[in-house]
Amino acid sequence: AQSVAQPEDQVNVAEGNPLTVKCTYSVSGNPYLFWYVQYPNRGLQFLLKYITGDNLVKGSYGFEAEFNKSQTSFHLKKPSALVSDSALYFCAVRDVNSGNTPLVFGKGTRLSVIA
Amino acid sequence: GAVVSQHPSWVICKSGTSVKIECRSLDFQATTMFWYRQFPKQSLMLMATSNEGSKATYEQGVEKDKFLINHASLTLSTLTVTSAHPEDSSFYICSASNGGQEKLFFGSGTQLSVL
Repeated sequence: AQSVAQPEDQVNVAEGNPLTVKCTYSVSGNPYLFWYVQYPNRGLQFLLKYITGDNLVKGSYGFEAEFNKSQTSFHLKKPSALVSDSALYFCAVRDVNSGNTPLVFGKGTRLSVIA
Repeated sequence: GAVVSQHPSWVICKSGTSVKIECRSLDFQATTMFWYRQFPKQSLMLMATSNEGSKATYEQGVEKDKFLINHASLTLSTLTVTSAHPEDSSFYICSASNGGQEKLFFGSGTQLSVL
């Protein structure tokens, strides 16, 4: 079975400081990993994904995430947070070998960037 | 990138009425569409997967007679909440794929409020 854990409900960070939103996953095989962002009353927007290759993935709006197989983690990071980054962030996973089964989402982490 | 249009964004209805939500892929053919439900401060819960021209596959616990899904063309899927009740009030989001989970695009969501 596939699962995703986002251990933090809320992350607060001052504007200009680095931010990290944590995600760990569990799949039986190799993972496809995704980060999405959701603004109030809106659908999800794709940020970045890891399929294969370089463990450090760069995505939209200056975000990046590092795939760590030994720790089964895919933490989202940004060197310098902006107030406009405040939103709800979802990590998602799918087992590469599971055919076309749907993504499994974490419960989300609310990021608040304080000016 | 690819665009998925979801309509309406907001709907308020009386208990007992039916509500139809449309999900359209505007610039690509969506062989598969997914419908999610999101409760406040919670993650996306997959309701069903629909493939064009075939019956939708519902997740465990989702009433197929309550939530009717039609995917009659490669660009349109509809979700009809039949005989809506206040407990059906939620945020519904669709997503569409033109080739696997790696290429998944989300609609902007529909906030349903049943009075």
